[in-house]
Parts: sequence; structure tokens; C-alpha cells
Amino acid sequence: TQLLEQSPQFLSIQEGENLTVYCNSSSVFSSLQWYRQEPGEGPVLLVTVVTGGEVKKLKRLTFQFGDARKDSSLHITAAQPGDTGLYLCAGAQGGKLIFGQGTELSVKP
Amino acid sequence: DTGVSQNPRHKITKRGQNVTFRCDPISEHNRLYWYRQTLGQGPEFLTYFQNEAQLEKSRLLSDRFSAERPKGSFSTLEIQRTEQGDSAMYLCASSRLRTGGTEAFFGQGTRLTVV
Repeated sequence: TQLLEQSPQFLSIQEGENLTVYCNSSSVFSSLQWYRQEPGEGPVLLVTVVTGGEVKKLKRLTFQFGDARKDSSLHITAAQPGDTGLYLCAGAQGGKLIFGQGTELSVKP
Repeated sequence: DTGVSQNPRHKITKRGQNVTFRCDPISEHNRLYWYRQTLGQGPEFLTYFQNEAQLEKSRLLSDRFSAERPKGSFSTLEIQRTEQGDSAMYLCASSRLRTGGTEAFFGQGTRLTVV
């Protein structure tokens, strides 16, 4: 049973398009992180959200934490080929992070 | 380089052999995590330490897997009698106990192939 469900699992878009990735759960998390991972490498932390309803922006990326701290979204504006990768959400439960299954994003020039 | 370091980066072993991986966390981080990741999936939690104490181990983890963090610094993950199903990327991460969210920083991983 996956505690964190990400959707979509795969996304292939053209350069310049916008996209949103969702991370949903029935569990409450004390914080939630988004990571980006390239093939053969470890995940790289993008952002941490802590407060329900919180919105954080990182250049063209906008992250939102749900009011009930059970879900989150990642919105990318004007996607570029360099955004290609596996996007992972992870929720903090107890002392550990629980990961979603990831969203594989491909941005074609 | 002050990031999380994992060695080796790649390991090919024959089925039935034992393997050991090492992780050196960021120096001021007191928490250390081990994850396993297969292709196209998110990392699966294996175990974590706070300082030298192993606080949690996944119920899915076979008895063939053992991890140590003897002095609260580096950690090792050993897999005994490897099986083909053990082939995966093994990731180590570290974090600092703090308020405001658990931010874990990952190493580059050790890719294990069991033949």
C-alpha cells in the first residue's frame, strides 16, 4: 500500500508548456518535501513545506501544501528540457521520510 | 565535498555472496537513512539511525540485511547471501534533527547488480 500517491506517473510535454504534479495521501504529514532525481544519481532536495496552505516558489516551480497537510502539488511554468527527470514527493512521518512512486517528466524541445 | 558520500558507486556480485556498502553523512547531521530504489519507483525505506542508535527498521527488510552506525558517524549496510531480487540502487541520506521539517540530503547511491 502506497502511503503517498503521485499523479501522473508519466508526463511527456513540449517545451514551453505548463504542468502540475500531484501528491496525495490519507495521512497527515508534519512536513513534505519535493525532490528531483536524474538517472543514476540520488534525489536532490527542491523544497520543504511545513505549514498547511503554504505556497513556495522556486523560479518557475511553485509548490503548495494542502490545508490539511495531506497533499501537495508542484506546478512548473514554461517547462524546459532541463526540467526532465523523476520528481518525488516525500512526507515526514515519525523520524523517516515516506516517498511517493514518482512522476517521470520528459520535456521535449 | 561536504555532501553525503557513498561507496562503492557500483557493485556486481554473484548470487550467494555477501556485500557491504558504506555511507559517510554530512558531518553535523545526526540522522542517517538507508533506502532502496528500483527502476521507475520511489525510494523504499529500509532503516534509520539517530546518532548510533538504530531507531526503526522496515518490516519488509529481510534478516539478510543489517546496518550499523558504530560511532554515530559513517554507516554500513550489509547484505548476506545476495539474491537476484536484491539488485537495486541503495541510497543513503542524512539530516539534522530540527524543527521546521525533515530535510534529508542524499548521496549518489550504490548500484548493486546480483548475477
